[in-house]
Amino acid sequence: AQRVTQPEKLLSVFKGAPVELKCNYSYSGSPELFWYVQYSRQRLQLLLRHISRESIKGFTADLNKGETSFHLKKPFAQEEDSAMYYCALGGETSGSRLTFGEGTQLTVNP
Amino acid sequence: NAGVMQNPRHLVRRRGQEARLRCSPMKGHSHVYWYRQLPEEGLKFMVYLQKENIIDESGMPKERFSAEFPKEGPSILRIQQVVRGDSAAYFCASSIYGDTQYFGPGTRLTVL
Repeated sequence: AQRVTQPEKLLSVFKGAPVELKCNYSYSGSPELFWYVQYSRQRLQLLLRHISRESIKGFTADLNKGETSFHLKKPFAQEEDSAMYYCALGGETSGSRLTFGEGTQLTVNP
Repeated sequence: NAGVMQNPRHLVRRRGQEARLRCSPMKGHSHVYWYRQLPEEGLKFMVYLQKENIIDESGMPKERFSAEFPKEGPSILRIQQVVRGDSAAYFCASSIYGDTQYFGPGTRLTVL
């Protein structure tokens, strides 16, 4: 069964500090992993996906198959990064549904 | 491209009534997904549809819930005889080929 765990419901850092949002997954096949972000009163937006290996808004995430993790990192947090972050797992089949973690609410304090 | 549209944004129903939630995918997208988010929880998959076909409904409750995506018009998620436990945010997502999913703003259903 597919499962995604985000152990922190709330995470608070100061502006300019590094931030890491944790995500662990359980999946027997070859996973596709995503990070989605939801800013206040806005829709869920794709932040990044592991196969593209790109950096968006300074965020990066590396898939670690050995540790079954896909943690989201940013070296210097900004106030505008305050949002709800969801890690999501898709299967290897095209069109697979996404399994979401419960989300981490990030607050970046001035 | 206007993005995925959902309406209504807020829906209030009394117990026993029917709720109809609509989702218009992004232009050119023929894959639609519905997810439900209960209070204090993450999004949970409900159903995956392509035009006129249900591909995966493994996340749909067995009773009272149905979904369709007709050849013309939006996808509809229908909940019959709503109960308080149906109160949630319902999100629709669409994709072109079943890869990256783009989400709508959601419909918040409140059952009184």
